[in-house]
Amino acid sequence: KQEVTQIPAALSVPEGENLVLNCSFTDSAIYNLQWFRQDPGKGLTSLLLIQSSQREQTSGRLNASLDKSSGRSTLYIAASQPGDSATYLCAETTSGTYKYIFGTGTRLKVLA
Amino acid sequence: NAGVTQTPKFQVLKTGQSMTLQCAQDMNHEYMSWYRQDPGMGLRLIHYSVGAGITDQGEVPNGYNVSRSTTEDFPLRLLSAAPSQTSVYFCASSYSAGGVNTEAFFGQGTRLTVV
Repeated sequence: KQEVTQIPAALSVPEGENLVLNCSFTDSAIYNLQWFRQDPGKGLTSLLLIQSSQREQTSGRLNASLDKSSGRSTLYIAASQPGDSATYLCAETTSGTYKYIFGTGTRLKVLA
Repeated sequence: NAGVTQTPKFQVLKTGQSMTLQCAQDMNHEYMSWYRQDPGMGLRLIHYSVGAGITDQGEVPNGYNVSRSTTEDFPLRLLSAAPSQTSVYFCASSYSAGGVNTEAFFGQGTRLTVV
């Protein structure tokens, strides 16, 4: 069974710190890995999409990497800000399917 | 530039009532899906569609029906609401490239409470 795991479940850091969020997946036939942000009571906002042929994607202060051999993706947030406080979700889709499998998320709090 | 639109945003139902959650997208995406989000369980796939007239079951389909008569709309029907269906429901759409999902876009969610 495909599983996606995100550790830690919650993280609290001071403003300005660089941080890494982890996402592990079990299916080596991964096609896409997508990172989302979810604010309380809101929907999911797409942050970065990495295809299996790519190693990483960058958008502003965010950088996501994908290592298929180890079954891991990381989301790096540089110079964190209080506005980055949210829950971060990763989701994978595998070749030949139309389904996204989600992790349970990391709840991030950046302290001013 | 609406993206994925869900209505209503909030709903309270009595046990046994039926209702339809609406989802519409204006991006001409082939693939649409419904998820439910529960505390500690992440998002779970209810039903999905790979195009007009084609639907299939996801991980937790019991108690829900879907149909896809147009590319734009993908309504989710609760046949006889139960308290276990209290959840936040999200609709998503994406473009299918060569039969595989690309980037998924989500609606703002419908918060459903069944009493």
